[in-house]
Amino acid sequence: GENVEQHPSTLSVQEGDSAVIKCTYSDSASNYFPWYKQELGKGPQLIIDIRSNVGEKKDQRIAVTLNKTAKHFSLHITETQPEDSAVYFCAAFTGANFGNEKLTFGTGTRLTIIP
Amino acid sequence: DAGITQSPRHKVTETGTPVTLRCHQTENHRYMYWYRQDPGHGLRLIHYSYGVKDTDKGEVSDGYSVSRSKTEDFLLTLESATSSQTSVYFCAISQALYEQYFGPGTRLTVT
Repeated sequence: GENVEQHPSTLSVQEGDSAVIKCTYSDSASNYFPWYKQELGKGPQLIIDIRSNVGEKKDQRIAVTLNKTAKHFSLHITETQPEDSAVYFCAAFTGANFGNEKLTFGTGTRLTIIP
Repeated sequence: DAGITQSPRHKVTETGTPVTLRCHQTENHRYMYWYRQDPGHGLRLIHYSYGVKDTDKGEVSDGYSVSRSKTEDFLLTLESATSSQTSVYFCAISQALYEQYFGPGTRLTVT
């Protein structure tokens, strides 16, 4: 089955700097890659996603890049702000066979923005 | 939280007792999921449903059962709770398999 690895597990950056979180996946059939932000005591919130036919997607200060050949994708946050502090999860969706479609999650990155 | 509620939000129970967690959605989404979240493991799929009375197992389904008698409700049952089932449980919904939206979670402690 799919295996998703996420790095780093913790990341601290100065307010205003950029943050990058990277994930690798193992199943070449995976075709959808969402990123979730989870604040303390809340459920994960979908913040951006990318499909396998696209190399990059941006939404204001966040962007996601995908390299299908290398099987890795990354989340980029620019001009970080204190409210960006949270745990971020990447995931890969495999939908090769009916009944086997599922999201596989990385283990999370705790991002701390230092004022 | 995309019209998803979970109940209870917190529960403490004893080993060997049955426990049922409820997920309710107001979005009329077809797919519903139960995940558990544990440190170092991210989110792992327990069971999911692709329609009323249609359910299937995820990667960590042992010790859990589910039922979906109405589009809006998805129940997760621990027939006989064990300490290894202490976790935070999240329900998620999606309309077309891809974008999944999560509820606020239920923190379950089995003593």
